[in-house]
Amino acid sequence: DGGITQSPKYLFRKEGQNVTLSCEQNLNHDAMYWYRQDPGQGLRLIYYSQIVNDFQKGDIAEGYSVSREKKESFPLTVTSAQKNPTAFYLCASSIGTGTEQFFGPGTRLTVL
Amino acid sequence: EDKVVQSPLSLVVHEGDTVTLNCSYEVTNFRSLLWYKQEKKAPTFLFMLTSSGIEKKSGRLSSILDKKELFSILNITATQTGDSAVYLCAGHYYGGSQGNLIFGKGTKLSVKP
Repeated sequence: DGGITQSPKYLFRKEGQNVTLSCEQNLNHDAMYWYRQDPGQGLRLIYYSQIVNDFQKGDIAEGYSVSREKKESFPLTVTSAQKNPTAFYLCASSIGTGTEQFFGPGTRLTVL
Repeated sequence: EDKVVQSPLSLVVHEGDTVTLNCSYEVTNFRSLLWYKQEKKAPTFLFMLTSSGIEKKSGRLSSILDKKELFSILNITATQTGDSAVYLCAGHYYGGSQGNLIFGKGTKLSVKP
């Protein structure tokens, strides 16, 4: 099956700990994205990557880091510098920049 | 500042009703407008609109874009309980040399039997 997978579905962490969220796609898409969704809010772009070994900051990149060493993988690290990390995180990918984005099932992160 | 505004924020209807969801946008270097349906988790793609006045249809759903008034609507006819979801509108723009999305807050639609 082709698609985007995110793991884990639910994640609990203590304050001050870094945590890495996984995103994998087997759609052969060049572009990948990370969004954050808070209750009653739209999706906000954290980071995006158009090609391997290249990525750009989105609107709310502070406290987050990413890597894009392989085309199919785009992990997101939530660092201790992120002031309010509890949220629903969505990963997406697209063939190119002018096409629709397809989303993974999301990871709900709760920081205790 | 670029923004996408959806209205209403929530809506409750009965099965069989027709609903219209609204999306206005102010997006620099606008490229297209996208609609997504979000039930529990992943938003699923519905429509991408790039040209004004051309209606896109998929079953009971249809959407149209007005690039002069910076507005789009999503229509759902003969609603069913399975249409209950949050509907997200997003403006697609050229960011530098790349394209990105700005999302509205969504319209939560509840369809009662």
